[in-house]
Amino acid sequence: QVQLVQSGAEVKKPGSSVKVSCKASGGTFSSSAISWVRQAPGQGLEWMGGSIPILGTVNYAQKFQGRVTITADESRSTAYMELSSLRSEDTAVYYCARGSPAMDFWGQGTLVTVSP
Amino acid sequence: DIQMTQSPSSVSASVGDRVTITCRASQDISRWLAWYQQKPGKAPKLLIFAASSLQSGVPSRFSGSGSGTDFTLTISRLQPEDFATYYCQQANSFPPWTFGQGTKVEIK
Repeated sequence: QVQLVQSGAEVKKPGSSVKVSCKASGGTFSSSAISWVRQAPGQGLEWMGGSIPILGTVNYAQKFQGRVTITADESRSTAYMELSSLRSEDTAVYYCARGSPAMDFWGQGTLVTVSP
Repeated sequence: DIQMTQSPSSVSASVGDRVTITCRASQDISRWLAWYQQKPGKAPKLLIFAASSLQSGVPSRFSGSGSGTDFTLTISRLQPEDFATYYCQQANSFPPWTFGQGTKVEIK
């Protein structure tokens, strides 16, 4: 059974960066597409970007271009999402999810709070 | 980007009811559509992919249909555990994958 386990909640200052990790087990990490999806409080789902480690491909939503960096460490079966220049509107739960285009396994979510 | 519009935004229903949720794409996405269920404080769960294919382990009371721009998710006989928010996602044009705004199924 595939499991995605994310790092813990973060509180960040405006203008800083956050890096969230997503460790996979039970599947073939390097050949799986991993997406990052966020959900602001009381809001819907927003796809930020995704990668396929074995292909070395990464794609980002235009909205986050230049602020988000998605990487993967195949040796650790772990994907990372770093978001920079944080502002209050980035307060959200950030999810990693496996699969593309349909995302069949999801991490538990990481709450990132941006507050002065 | 392809815009996804769900209707209604919320629906009140009783256990045993048939519930239908509609998702419309701003352009033709063939059958590249997925449906997810999300309960409060939990990650989304994949229900349907490729418009009508049931994800493994999902009860058969869930079904999906449609192609092109218009899609539906039907819950044939609503169960207590089905009260949740449902999202559609287009899987045709990338990047980005885009989601509908969600439909909340509430207890009547």
